[in-house]
Amino acid sequence: EVQLVESGGGLVQPGGSLRLSCGASRITLSLYWVIWVRQAPGKGLEWVANINQDGSEKNSVDSVKGRFTISRDNAKNSVYLQMNSLRAEDTAVYYCSSGHNSAHWGLGTLVTVSS
Amino acid sequence: QAVVTQEPSLTVSPGGTVTLTCGSSTGGVTSGHNPYWFQQNPGQAPRTLIYETNNKHSWTPARFSGSLLGGKAALTLSGAQPEDEAEYYCLLHYTGAAVFGGGTKVTVL
Repeated sequence: EVQLVESGGGLVQPGGSLRLSCGASRITLSLYWVIWVRQAPGKGLEWVANINQDGSEKNSVDSVKGRFTISRDNAKNSVYLQMNSLRAEDTAVYYCSSGHNSAHWGLGTLVTVSS
Repeated sequence: QAVVTQEPSLTVSPGGTVTLTCGSSTGGVTSGHNPYWFQQNPGQAPRTLIYETNNKHSWTPARFSGSLLGGKAALTLSGAQPEDEAEYYCLLHYTGAAVFGGGTKVTVL
């Protein structure tokens, strides 16, 4: 069974940084776009960023531009989300999704930004 | 960035039919927005039901169908089952970004 696993979440102070990872098993991520989606507590889904197969095309939502960077290492079958200058409003569960038309989702990793 | 709108909540009787819609602040939704629909149960990750307006994954129950209706993307549930009670989100794609709707809570009652 295909698995996506997010890691790297945790508690961080405002202004701090975290690097999220999306690892995969039984799927070759280099064949697919990968997206990051977040969900604040009790709120809906928010599309955060995506990256194409070779990393040459990246997009992100306006609220994270200049602070978050999506990247990938196809040799490690992984995608990353570097999050800098974190704010309280970035507190959320972060999911990655990939595969044929976003067929696969991870279980998410919780990021809490608080002093 | 664009705002994507969904009904906050809908109720359907068991065995009944309900249609969820997904509109865009930029105008009519077309196949070019590559609409997706996702189902999410409390405490769980989303699950992709529909992609590219009306295509289903192998796990998508036949009672779900996607379409374009009156300038919006639509998800129709025909023959609702108790297990269909969940939150449903649409996603529209724009140049350089994608935007989720606020979600529709579907109650089967």
